[in-house]
Amino acid sequence: EPEVTQTPSHQVTQMGQEVILRCVPISNHLYFYWYRQILGQKVEFLVSFYNNEISEKSEIFDDQFSVERPDGSNFTLKIRSTKLEDSAMYFCASRLSGAGNSPLHFGNGTRLTVT
Amino acid sequence: DQQVKQNSPSLSVQEGRISILNCDYTNSMFDYFLWYKKYPAEGPTFLISISSIKDKNEDGRFTVFLNKSAKHLSLHIVPSQPGDSAVYFCAATPSGNTPLVFGKGTRLSVIA
Repeated sequence: EPEVTQTPSHQVTQMGQEVILRCVPISNHLYFYWYRQILGQKVEFLVSFYNNEISEKSEIFDDQFSVERPDGSNFTLKIRSTKLEDSAMYFCASRLSGAGNSPLHFGNGTRLTVT
Repeated sequence: DQQVKQNSPSLSVQEGRISILNCDYTNSMFDYFLWYKKYPAEGPTFLISISSIKDKNEDGRFTVFLNKSAKHLSLHIVPSQPGDSAVYFCAATPSGNTPLVFGKGTRLSVIA
C-alpha cells in the first residue's frame, strides 16, 4: 500500500538554525498538510497546501515557517530560525481529494529537537 | 480552546472484551468525524469515519457511533485484541477541505 514518507526521522538542531523537513506524499494525492505534536499534547494543524499554494494555515504557522513543493514529489516544511518551543513531532499528511470522507494519510513523522 | 475533547487519557481492557473510546466536541459546525490509531514511532493511521448524516458506521471489529444532539461520538472495538493497544485520536472537521481538529488521544491497553 502506498505511504507517505518523511525524512529525516530525527533532527537535532541548535536554536536559531534553519531546518528543512522533507516529505514525499502519496503520488496521486492532491492535498498536503503539516501537523505537529508537542510531547504529551494533541496533534495540531500547521498548514494545508493545494494546487501549489497554501490553502489554510494556523496561528502557529508564522513568518518563521514556509512550505514548498519544489518538484512533483516532495513537500517540504522549512523553519527559518528554530526556537526551543519548536521541538515536536512533525507529521506530513496527504489525501486524494478534499471530500469529507477522504481521509488523511500520515507519514511516520520527524522528531525535531531544538537545543 | 478544545473543540474536540477526549477526557480519558487512558483505558485498559481485557482481551476479548469491548473497548469503548469516547469523544466530545463543541463545534456544531463539524460534519465529519474520524478516528485514528497511533503506535509509538509511527504516524496516525486512519481507522474509521462517520458523517453527520449518520449515527453509526461499522467496519469489521470497529464501530463508530455519533450522537449529534449530545455532541458525542464513541468508538467501539469488539473483540479487543492485544494488537489494538495504541493511542486513539478522535478528529473532526466542518467540511472536507477544512483542517482536521484532533483530540488529545486516549491510550488503549488491551491486556492478554
